[in-house]
Amino acid sequence: DVQLLESGGGLAQPGGSLRLSCAASGFTFSSYAMTWVRQAPGKGLEWVSSISGSGGSTYYADSVKGRFTISRDNSKDTLYLQMNSLRGEDTALYYCTRTVVPDHWGQGTLVTVSS
Amino acid sequence: DIQMTQSPSSLSASVGDRVTITCRASQGIRNELGWFQHKAGRAPKRLIYAASSLQSGVPSRFSGSGSGTDFTLTISSLQPEDFATYYCLQHDSYPLTFGQGTRLEIK
Repeated sequence: DVQLLESGGGLAQPGGSLRLSCAASGFTFSSYAMTWVRQAPGKGLEWVSSISGSGGSTYYADSVKGRFTISRDNSKDTLYLQMNSLRGEDTALYYCTRTVVPDHWGQGTLVTVSS
Repeated sequence: DIQMTQSPSSLSASVGDRVTITCRASQGIRNELGWFQHKAGRAPKRLIYAASSLQSGVPSRFSGSGSGTDFTLTISSLQPEDFATYYCLQHDSYPLTFGQGTRLEIK
């Protein structure tokens, strides 16, 4: 079975950093693009970033471009999201998902940005 | 950027009703659209991909249609477990964009 397990969420101060990880299993990780999607409290789903299977192509929402970096380690079947210069509006549940039109989702990791 | 306008934003319906949710893209996106169901406290679930292809394991009462700019998700006969929030997602070009969501509530 496909499993996606996020970690790394928590409380960060405005201007701070966090790195999210997503451990994947049950499929050939390097064969799939991966995507981060988030949901702020009381809001809808928001696409954050995607990365190709090789890691050679990356894409970002305008709201995080220049602050967040998506990456992957195909030898470890792990997806990452490095989040810098965090803002209050980055507070959300962050989901790790498989492919660009997500067919599998993790349970999410909560990021709270507050002083 | 492509904007996705989803309607209605909320909908009250009864078990057994036929329900239609629409998404309109600000420019043509071919059939590069998915539909998702999201229940509170759970991970979202893909229902439809490529505008009209039913995800494996999803009941056949769910269907999707459309191409270009106008898309619909139809639930032919609502079941109690279908009450949730539904989203469309365009993946024709980056940045990808979700619709605002449709909250489907029990009448």
